[in-house]
Amino acid sequence: GQQLNQSPQSMFIQEGEDVSMNCTSSSIFNTWLWYKQDPGEGPVLLIALYKAGELTSNGRLTAQFGITRKDSFLNISASIPSDVGIYFCAGLTSSGNTPLVFGKGTRLSVIA
Amino acid sequence: DGGITQSPKYLFRKEGQNVTLSCEQNLNHDAMYWYRQDPGQGLRLIYYSQIVNDFQKGDIAEGYSVSREKKESFPLTVTSAQKNPTAFYLCASSMGTVTNYQPQHFGDGTRLSIL
Repeated sequence: GQQLNQSPQSMFIQEGEDVSMNCTSSSIFNTWLWYKQDPGEGPVLLIALYKAGELTSNGRLTAQFGITRKDSFLNISASIPSDVGIYFCAGLTSSGNTPLVFGKGTRLSVIA
Repeated sequence: DGGITQSPKYLFRKEGQNVTLSCEQNLNHDAMYWYRQDPGQGLRLIYYSQIVNDFQKGDIAEGYSVSREKKESFPLTVTSAQKNPTAFYLCASSMGTVTNYQPQHFGDGTRLSIL
């Protein structure tokens, strides 16, 4: 099946630092989504991207839909301890009610 | 408040038993999904349903069964044929019409353990 390559797999950063993570694929996607999962809970949608080249912000988070439609990145500025968690990218290749393809996640740890 | 409710939060199963995990949504979403998550792993699709009374197998459907008798409900049964059922199970739903796509929203999960 289709796969999304998400990197890095994990990262340790100092509080206040900026963070960047990305997802790439060999397939074209129509929609890119970024989720965050806290321990023992379900993933929560952070940002949804619907057009190639789209750049969208949600507070300290910024995500972009790559112009080739095969990649996306997520940036977190000025990290804080509550940013700790697992970040997943997900892509949709066709209509909205088909399953998403998920990356394997980036585990973020923030050192105060 | 609209959302997705999974129950129970924790579930224990004896060897050879079937267990059913509940998932209910009041978002009026057409599609519902079940995922399995193992420690340090991503989400793997078990089953999904795009409409009532219809569902499709995902990547790891063996040992699981589902039903979709109502729009709001999509229960997952972990059968005794699933030899390694210990995992965190996540339910999600989405709306996918051309003019109103709402991305998948997830419940808070059920953690299943074998006694």
